[in-house]
Amino acid sequence: GAGVSQSPSNKVTEKGKDVELRCDPISGHTALYWYRQSLGQGLEFLIYFQGNSAPDKSGLPSDRFSAERTGGSVSTLTIQRTQQEDSAVYLCASSLGTSLNEQFFGPGTRLTVL
Amino acid sequence: QKEVEQNSGPLSVPEGAIASLNCTYSDRGSQSFFWYRQYSGKSPELIMFIYSNGDKEDGRFTAQLNKASQYVSLLIRDSQPSDSATYLCAVDTGRRALTFGSGTRLQVQP
Repeated sequence: GAGVSQSPSNKVTEKGKDVELRCDPISGHTALYWYRQSLGQGLEFLIYFQGNSAPDKSGLPSDRFSAERTGGSVSTLTIQRTQQEDSAVYLCASSLGTSLNEQFFGPGTRLTVL
Repeated sequence: QKEVEQNSGPLSVPEGAIASLNCTYSDRGSQSFFWYRQYSGKSPELIMFIYSNGDKEDGRFTAQLNKASQYVSLLIRDSQPSDSATYLCAVDTGRRALTFGSGTRLQVQP
């Protein structure tokens, strides 16, 4: 595709519900990153996928968060039993290989937990 | 201490002036440094990256790196109202992903 796409663009959910956020990286990009950006804050790293290697989950804030990447392409970030502090913009980025200078961001999903 | 620190601003400069955005980092082993621009409600976009001490120029933008002082800056010459955005400093500390500062909001007054 022309760029990284994410869906939905906005998600409002009730506390305790599960949500799934989707990221479709640029075609051919082997690396995929999930970040979280709370209001007025910088980006917080969540998880990193590189090809078929085991993901780096070191940034996931709790075991309520999980992510998978099927077929080395589309990724889904799942948040179980959402809490109000999960409210943020969730950004996905992809890059060709591991060159961080080539990292391209998607438009993000704004999650609001009521 | 945060790993990457930036003044949140807002930094207000008149149109045509030089805007100077600063960033300090704590990990001496950091190898490369990035400046992203983020317009309100939009995703970050890469402006410049720098690896070596000194200056790197690209159009109206100059990145400056001083590894001894653990300091990186971004200068924007001839600032335009369209430069008004939040500027995020990001550092590659050798982990798999970048470590971001919280950003400096720049306002260029017409």
